[in-house]
Amino acid sequence: TQLLEQSPQFLSIQEGENLTVYCNSSSVFSSLQWYRQEPGEGPVLLVTVVTGGEVKKLKRLTFQFGDARKDSSLHITAAQPGDTGLYLCAGAGTGGTSYGKLTFGQGTILTVHP
Amino acid sequence: DSGVTQTPKHLITATGQRVTLRCSPRSGDLSVYWYQQSLDQGLQFLIQYYNGEERAKGNILERFSAQQFPDLHSELNLSSLELGDSALYFCASSVAAGSSHIRGYTFGSGTRLTVV
Repeated sequence: TQLLEQSPQFLSIQEGENLTVYCNSSSVFSSLQWYRQEPGEGPVLLVTVVTGGEVKKLKRLTFQFGDARKDSSLHITAAQPGDTGLYLCAGAGTGGTSYGKLTFGQGTILTVHP
Repeated sequence: DSGVTQTPKHLITATGQRVTLRCSPRSGDLSVYWYQQSLDQGLQFLIQYYNGEERAKGNILERFSAQQFPDLHSELNLSSLELGDSALYFCASSVAAGSSHIRGYTFGSGTRLTVV
């Protein structure tokens, strides 16, 4: 069974601060995805990283995939109240019946105070 | 609007009852996934269907069952409901079982089930 551990579980910061969320596993994934979920809605895909060591930027968000494709991080620069939400990482299986199947981390609840 | 439609949005029912949750996947998507989300358990995978056939099972209780119909919509049936079944139930879809590793899943807005 592939497991993904996200940390921290909760993050409460002031507007303008930087933060990093980590997603770690002992398993190798074919890709790592990050989703954002707002209250009353389903998770929405933010980004997919596929290649070990890959870095992707989405405005103030920077996503990195570990060299060994077992871990990932999400860094937010100058956080804004609109960034508040639940952030979920998800790893895609590498082969067989698990190919493409996503395993989700427990999520990080981010609250950005004005 | 994500393109994945879930009904109903809210459901309140008594213990011991049976309910059916419905999901219409995004147009063109053949795979449907059901997830349960509760505060202490996170997003738990229940079951996956691909083009009408069961593809994978997760932590789905025997009291729960699902199916995907020829028009690709899916239903999740929950029976003999218990208080602990109260949760958000999400449906997600993807084009094909193997494409998810790049394109990810598209989630619906969920059904909030409250068992009283």
